[in-house]
Amino acid sequence: AQKITQTQPGMFVQEKEAVTLDCTYDTSDPSYGLFWYKQPSSGEMIFLIYQGSYDQQNATEGRYSLNFQKARKSANLVISASQLGDSAMYFCAMRAVSGYSTLTFGKGTMLLVSP
Amino acid sequence: EAGVAQSPRYKIIEKRQSVAFWCNPISGHATLYWYQQILGQGPKLLIQFQNNGVVDDSQLPKDRFSAERLKGVDSTLKIQPAKLEDSAVYLCATLPGHLTDTQYFGPGTRLTVL
Repeated sequence: AQKITQTQPGMFVQEKEAVTLDCTYDTSDPSYGLFWYKQPSSGEMIFLIYQGSYDQQNATEGRYSLNFQKARKSANLVISASQLGDSAMYFCAMRAVSGYSTLTFGKGTMLLVSP
Repeated sequence: EAGVAQSPRYKIIEKRQSVAFWCNPISGHATLYWYQQILGQGPKLLIQFQNNGVVDDSQLPKDRFSAERLKGVDSTLKIQPAKLEDSAVYLCATLPGHLTDTQYFGPGTRLTVL
């Protein structure tokens, strides 16, 4: 079984500052992928970034980077230079890379960016 | 490339009524998922299809929920009869192929049961 834990119900950050959203996971699968999604108030789930468990380097996508620490089972999302449009719910998720495995989501973190 | 389409976007019904949701996946995406997202929580998988076959429905409340994916393309999710606790957003997502690919989500259907 897989489990995702997001311990920050809400985070506040000022525009142009960086923010880190925490995610820890638990799995017995040897190969897995970690995902971050953004969900604005409109409801759609927007894919942000992916990290494979065997990837040697931390993933980056524009202003998003994933701080992957395999030994600590953490996959924190770092957003640099926050923008007002970054205000949304952020979900960490994982999926085993085997068979017909499915995504397991955390409970999410609400990020509010202030001017 | 068109995204995942869902309809209706919003639905309000009274408890014990029936409701159906429709999902049209991205062309060629063999894997389709239905998720239930209760307010303040992450999405929870209800059912997974691979083409028109069910792969995982272990978390689907089968006494009231049913889903089908005819011809391996469109899918419908039905609730009969609805309960108050079914109020949630129902998300459809599809996967193009490899498990390292991201799932593509539709806009969701927001269901309110009164």
